Amino acid sequence: DAGVIQSPRHEVTEMGQEVTLRCKPISGHDYLFWYRQTMMRGLELLIYFNNNVPIDDSGMPEDRFSAKMPNASFSTLKIQPSEPRDSAVYFCASSPWMGQNYGYTFGSGTRLTVV
Amino acid sequence: QKEVEQNSGPLSVPEGAIASLNCTYSDRVSQSFFWYRQYSGKSPELIMSIYSNGDKEDGRFTAQLNKASQYVSLLIRDSQPSDSATYLCAVNMPPGMNTGFQKLVFGTGTRLLVSP
Repeated sequence: DAGVIQSPRHEVTEMGQEVTLRCKPISGHDYLFWYRQTMMRGLELLIYFNNNVPIDDSGMPEDRFSAKMPNASFSTLKIQPSEPRDSAVYFCASSPWMGQNYGYTFGSGTRLTVV
Repeated sequence: QKEVEQNSGPLSVPEGAIASLNCTYSDRVSQSFFWYRQYSGKSPELIMSIYSNGDKEDGRFTAQLNKASQYVSLLIRDSQPSDSATYLCAVNMPPGMNTGFQKLVFGTGTRLLVSP
């Protein structure tokens, strides 16, 4: 099992540019989560999917952020246009179940820097 | 009040000592609790979960839960320099007023430093 795979590992972009982050969950995991981590706010849940369907996007900061999951093995998080305050580490995580007894498995993250 | 609160640290302990990490949470309806370890520049890694009041032991790690006090702790016995990391407390929050869905909420983490 290769775990949760994210790409790219690092992304440096200029303000105003579009950024796309990618994630491949663990096979068989029905839940996929996008988190953002900053020093000030810690890990924040942005959005999660169940069986490819977005369930809760209340954590998405604003309309510049969008996420899709076209199939069970792929998800994207897009920021358009990007701003310096979007600089953070973005983690994707997956879980086989949303039940209370399951923790999540995280990918290695994408460190985004917007200059 | 934050949903999950942790002291940011750093908590410094000598090698071989017991490290005690603490966490409080706001919603008394929460039923499941997790501890993650995060090394610098790495992703969070699940190390313990606990659902019932009392202690749960796994090797050198012991998780403690007191639902009445809304308090979770992690004890690390015989601390090693390799335990130096940030420890994140995570609480499975039930559906709230703003969202009808449960979610895993993380504290900002406690940085642990174990000196040789």
